[in-house]
Amino acid sequence: NAGVTQTPKFQVLKTGQSMTLQCAQDMNHNSMYWYRQDPGMGLRLIYYSASEGTTDKGEVPNGYNVSRLNKREFSLRLESAAPSQTSVYFCASRSRQVSNQPQHFGDGTRLSIL
Amino acid sequence: GNSVTQMEGPVTLSEEAFLTINCTYTATGYPSLFWYVQYPGEGLQLLLKATKADDKGSNKGFEATYRKETTSFHLEKGSVQVSDSAVYFCALSTNSGGSNYKLTFGKGTLLTVNP
Repeated sequence: NAGVTQTPKFQVLKTGQSMTLQCAQDMNHNSMYWYRQDPGMGLRLIYYSASEGTTDKGEVPNGYNVSRLNKREFSLRLESAAPSQTSVYFCASRSRQVSNQPQHFGDGTRLSIL
Repeated sequence: GNSVTQMEGPVTLSEEAFLTINCTYTATGYPSLFWYVQYPGEGLQLLLKATKADDKGSNKGFEATYRKETTSFHLEKGSVQVSDSAVYFCALSTNSGGSNYKLTFGKGTLLTVNP
């Protein structure tokens, strides 16, 4: 029962470097999400994919890009990392894009930008 | 727009004490309501949910009742354990007002239970 798997679990980057965070789910879910979690801010939605082949911006998309590679995988890319992007990143999936369905979360990627 | 306000922590209790974490919301339409729990170093796990007014969600001794008249979804547990120490998030999802079924989270409440 893997659920939502995120890689890597930890990463340290220098300012200006690029990186792709990987996310895969094995629950045959249609919708996938990327959040960032910062102290005192709760979770903020970066991008989401309601279904395979579609992506949309969330609350804080600047500095990020995403790719819904297939139904299972949804990656988040930082093209030029900045210290303000130091955060814990969570990927989540949901069976369908309806309000009563919960989201299922991965264990997160802890990213530090120096 | 949608928003969730939950009591700020941290909350520190002794084992077997009664727990209440307050959560109120504003939303367009008829939201579904959720409580998630995050243990140290882990992702968020669904604790319980309620999808319509007066529904009571329950799991692992925790309960919350969807109160439309007070727009609240307070989390309660009668007797907390050390293993309940975690961060608790209240969240809502609605399919109206252009929200596209997204989850809106509160800022989280850190609970520490001492033996």
